[in-house]
Amino acid sequence: KAGVTQTPRYLIKTRGQQVTLSCSPISGHRSVSWYQQTPGQGLQFLFEYFSETQRNKGNFPGRFSGRQFSNSRSEMNVSTLELGDSALYLCASSLDGPPNTGELFFGEGSRLTVL
Amino acid sequence: GEDVEQSLFLSVREGDSSVINCTYTDSSSTYLYWYKQEPGAGLQLLTYIFSNMDMKQDQRLTVLLNKKDKHLSLRIADTQTGDSAIYFCAESVLTTDSWGKLQFGAGTQVVVTP
Repeated sequence: KAGVTQTPRYLIKTRGQQVTLSCSPISGHRSVSWYQQTPGQGLQFLFEYFSETQRNKGNFPGRFSGRQFSNSRSEMNVSTLELGDSALYLCASSLDGPPNTGELFFGEGSRLTVL
Repeated sequence: GEDVEQSLFLSVREGDSSVINCTYTDSSSTYLYWYKQEPGAGLQLLTYIFSNMDMKQDQRLTVLLNKKDKHLSLRIADTQTGDSAIYFCAESVLTTDSWGKLQFGAGTQVVVTP
């Protein structure tokens, strides 16, 4: 069974540009969550999607957005990039919410560098 | 608010047991997790424990949960050099029927020496 796939793995952008990251969850998983990992702030929750609807949202500015497609694949977008957006962006998928088990499986991440 | 705290560093000799500790504050947490991250990689789910359990064993891994003290620990028996990594403790914050929002600790860097 294939794991969570994130593309691209690495990318470099300049300030002011925008970026789109993609995540394909494990087959059969309908929930996709996104996290930002930085040395200073650690792992922070961005948002979660389920059945094409945003179910939860973290404390990030509106420049960070996402969506989920009918096949459960998800994308996140960051507009007007800032230096501080340089991070590893991790996607996680899970089967569903309760009463299923709370196993979240992470992808390898997309490492974004903003110059 | 929710806070998950871990010690930042642990050094252990190969073959010894490692114990990584974590404290959390959200009493409504339902699942608590341990993830492993190797350099340049994503997070690997090692194990998780449901909050109505106090212990879970899975091969070399033993998770202990003290709900009264909000303390979680991960014991790795017979630690190997391949266990060198950063270990994250996380709690699920159950909102709107969702498991997807995890609160992570800062991670414990485990270094295994020969």
